[in-house]
Amino acid sequence: DAGVTQSPTHLIKTRGQQVTLRCSPKSGHDTVSWYQQALGQGPQFIFQYYEEEERQRGNFPDRFSGHQFPNYSSELNVNALLLGDSALYLCASSLTGTHSYEQYFGPGTRLTVT
Amino acid sequence: AQTVTQSQPEMSVQEAETVTLSCTYDTSESDYYLFWYKQPPSRQMILVIRQEAYKQQNATENRFSVNFQKAAKSFSLKISDSQLGDAAMYFCAYRSGDGGATNKLIFGTGTLLAVQP
Repeated sequence: DAGVTQSPTHLIKTRGQQVTLRCSPKSGHDTVSWYQQALGQGPQFIFQYYEEEERQRGNFPDRFSGHQFPNYSSELNVNALLLGDSALYLCASSLTGTHSYEQYFGPGTRLTVT
Repeated sequence: AQTVTQSQPEMSVQEAETVTLSCTYDTSESDYYLFWYKQPPSRQMILVIRQEAYKQQNATENRFSVNFQKAAKSFSLKISDSQLGDAAMYFCAYRSGDGGATNKLIFGTGTLLAVQP
């Protein structure tokens, strides 16, 4: 049973560029959440996708957008990259309707903006 | 808004000893979940233990147990018989229990645990 997978593992971009990160949820899960983890900090919630729609959003600017596909996989897009966007981006999947909506995390994508 | 506070940036424990990591939270909700996640250097966040707020009994998972004090809004993690593989960053996290409408996790800033051989 495959767990949550993310690609790429590492990424280096230049200020002003755009980036797309990808996530495949754990088998059987239908909900994907994205988190940003700055160095030395706890993860911060970006947004969550369910049934191909953004269900909830954290305090992040519109430069951060996402998408969920019919197979439940998801993308996180960040436009006009800033140096402050450098972080570990974590994807978590869960199954809506289950008792605790327990979230399973992927290994993350390390984004460096220069 | 809910907040989670971990006041111990770093902790150290001798192998085979017991260590307790602290976490406090602030909420006006009565229904919620609390979690401890472990993040080793490999970066993958792993769920260690979960506590439902409506349950009075403290959760236990093998060597890991919690001390859940709802009135005090405290949720500490006790690791017994510490092993070298327990060395990692530990995060306390909160989730509202409002039927799934709010599924986001709110994390503390973490406690880095070192295990000394």
